[in-house]
Amino acid sequence: DGGITQSPKYLFRKEGQNVTLSCEQNLNHDAMYWYRQDPGQGLRLIYYSQIVNDFQKGDIAEGYSVSREKKESFPLTVTSAQKNPTAFYLCASSIEYTGELFFGEGSRLTVL
Amino acid sequence: DQQVKQNSPSLSVQEGRISILNCDYTNSMFDYFLWYKKYPAEGPTFLISISSIKDKNEDGRFTVFLNKSAKHLSLHIVPSQPGDSAVYFCAARPPQSIGNQFYFGTGTSLTVIP
Repeated sequence: DGGITQSPKYLFRKEGQNVTLSCEQNLNHDAMYWYRQDPGQGLRLIYYSQIVNDFQKGDIAEGYSVSREKKESFPLTVTSAQKNPTAFYLCASSIEYTGELFFGEGSRLTVL
Repeated sequence: DQQVKQNSPSLSVQEGRISILNCDYTNSMFDYFLWYKKYPAEGPTFLISISSIKDKNEDGRFTVFLNKSAKHLSLHIVPSQPGDSAVYFCAARPPQSIGNQFYFGTGTSLTVIP
């Protein structure tokens, strides 16, 4: 079955540590996205990538980094510079710009 | 600045009745609108969409209405079922020539009471 796989589903991190969230898709979609969800807030865009080896900052990119070396993969690194990293992170993909986003099941990061 | 707003954080409806979820937007350039459904600890799943050239789109029990002059869209679920209980997000997108991202509302938590 085609879809988006995020891992890990739950992750705990100590303050000051970087952590990388994995996102893999086998939908052959060109565009991939990372969103963050906090209680009482909508999904906020962190980074997006429309093609391999290219990505753009979203509204809340500070403290995060991404790479897009392969079409299928769009990992997100939460760095120690992110002041409030505890959140639910969602990866998504879409066929270029033509339609809806397909989401993974999310990764919940908790900073201890 | 929240460009897409869902002013009702929660809604409770009796099973079999109509659920109406509302969404307002501020950017008149938005031309494509979507509704997503989300269960706890899962990713959102696409529900229904509407282009700005239409004012209504229907898919089974789900109908989305778009009022461009009021910058308002609504999702109607008829009849509501307990399995519809979830958080519903609306999202909007400008033409590709203007921007590349979807803007999401804060969500409305729907509870359908059996």
